[in-house]
Amino acid sequence: AQKITQTQPGMFVQEKEAVTLDCTYDTSDPSYGLFWYKQPSSGEMIFLIYQGSYDQQNATEGRYSLNFQKARKSANLVISASQLGDSAMYFCAMRELYSGGGADGLTFGKGTHLIIQP
Amino acid sequence: DADVTQTPRNRITKTGKRIMLECSQTKGHDRMYWYRQDPGLGLRLIYYSFDVKDINKGEISDGYSVSRQAQAKFSLSLESAIPNQTALYFCATSDSGQGVLGEAFFGQGTRLTVV
Repeated sequence: AQKITQTQPGMFVQEKEAVTLDCTYDTSDPSYGLFWYKQPSSGEMIFLIYQGSYDQQNATEGRYSLNFQKARKSANLVISASQLGDSAMYFCAMRELYSGGGADGLTFGKGTHLIIQP
Repeated sequence: DADVTQTPRNRITKTGKRIMLECSQTKGHDRMYWYRQDPGLGLRLIYYSFDVKDINKGEISDGYSVSRQAQAKFSLSLESAIPNQTALYFCATSDSGQGVLGEAFFGQGTRLTVV
């Protein structure tokens, strides 16, 4: 079973509108972290925001916020007031403290291609 | 200068050739990782290292080997490159002292094409 699921392969959004990118995760580890990365067409991976499994409040970083619903195992990224420069691939990822006996490192979803239209 | 530097940034090589991708970091992190990105598949973990003497296989290690020459350097080798190893490769680092909090810092990526 996939550990990170991003159900939106692509999205078109009008400039200045808010955007929600969906991410659901699967883990039995009580301690984990959830990450969102942006990958523009140039290819680099840019860290956007982080949420820890024990964090009581949703994480925010400027125009980015993470809507963390632990019981539903969802960690959606919200971008307020979208800009043309937000057009990129967006990846949700998870690190588990105990890794379920598996490898360390991040487990990534397949990504969402976001296109902001003027 | 970037905190995590990958060389080369782009490389075209022939099938059967040996190739090494290099990664160096100035963040002082103990953990280093190699990921591979294929279109539509996200990033997948190839190898990771907790320190110089601790190297572990990831999800897709077949056909690859690594060397941790120093805390700051982690190299990925393809002993005999094949076309399906054409991909974008990323090196990343994290700080084990942060536990799950340690966000992964990524290099700029190496675009490898095997012809």
